[in-house]
Amino acid sequence: AQSVTQPDIHITVSEGASLELRCNYSYGATPYLFWYVQSPGQGLQLLLKYFSGDTLVQGIKGFEAEFKRSQSSFNLRKPSVHWSDAAEYFCAVGPMNTGFQKLVFGTGTRLLVSP
Amino acid sequence: DAGITQSPRHKVTETGTPVTLRCHQTENHRYMYWYRQDPGHGLRLIHYSYGVKDTDKGEVSDGYSVSRSKTEDFLLTLESATSSQTSVYFCAIRKGEETQYFGPGTRLLVL
Repeated sequence: AQSVTQPDIHITVSEGASLELRCNYSYGATPYLFWYVQSPGQGLQLLLKYFSGDTLVQGIKGFEAEFKRSQSSFNLRKPSVHWSDAAEYFCAVGPMNTGFQKLVFGTGTRLLVSP
Repeated sequence: DAGITQSPRHKVTETGTPVTLRCHQTENHRYMYWYRQDPGHGLRLIHYSYGVKDTDKGEVSDGYSVSRSKTEDFLLTLESATSSQTSVYFCAIRKGEETQYFGPGTRLLVL
């Protein structure tokens, strides 16, 4: 079945440590790929997106993500986490079979940052 | 700022009553979307619109209807609210390269 998986419901990282959030998708053709962040009580903010080309994409707030076709993954990374990064992170895909018109979201990963 | 407003931002209602949520955009984008967000489910698409009077169902459309009589407004109606429709509702627009931008959300509690 077509799906988007974020295997980690919660992750706790020390401030200043590196971060990697995992996202895997199950679609026949490479979809469009997105990461969004949601702070408590807020809407979703786009961090970065991948459509084609360079598989390492840079986003806002110092985040980057790497597309790996062989692993059907699009993991989000940040080299040094700040306390303000505590939030919920959503991976989303825009499948080709919808004409890239719709998004399918993962269930989210909540990031906690410890002092 | 994606130029999206949602109203109301918070609403408490009773089971069986009709509820309408409004999404308003200021930039004349063709595509608009309604999602609901629930713990453990992420965001799920309810309905979307690809133009005035052009709408289609999403993944969780049962119990919801939508209307779009002008480009800037996309209305979501719960004809007879149920407790299972307690959720946070987000509107989104699509602009640029197939990218969706989200409104601030409406928190709905059905008692």
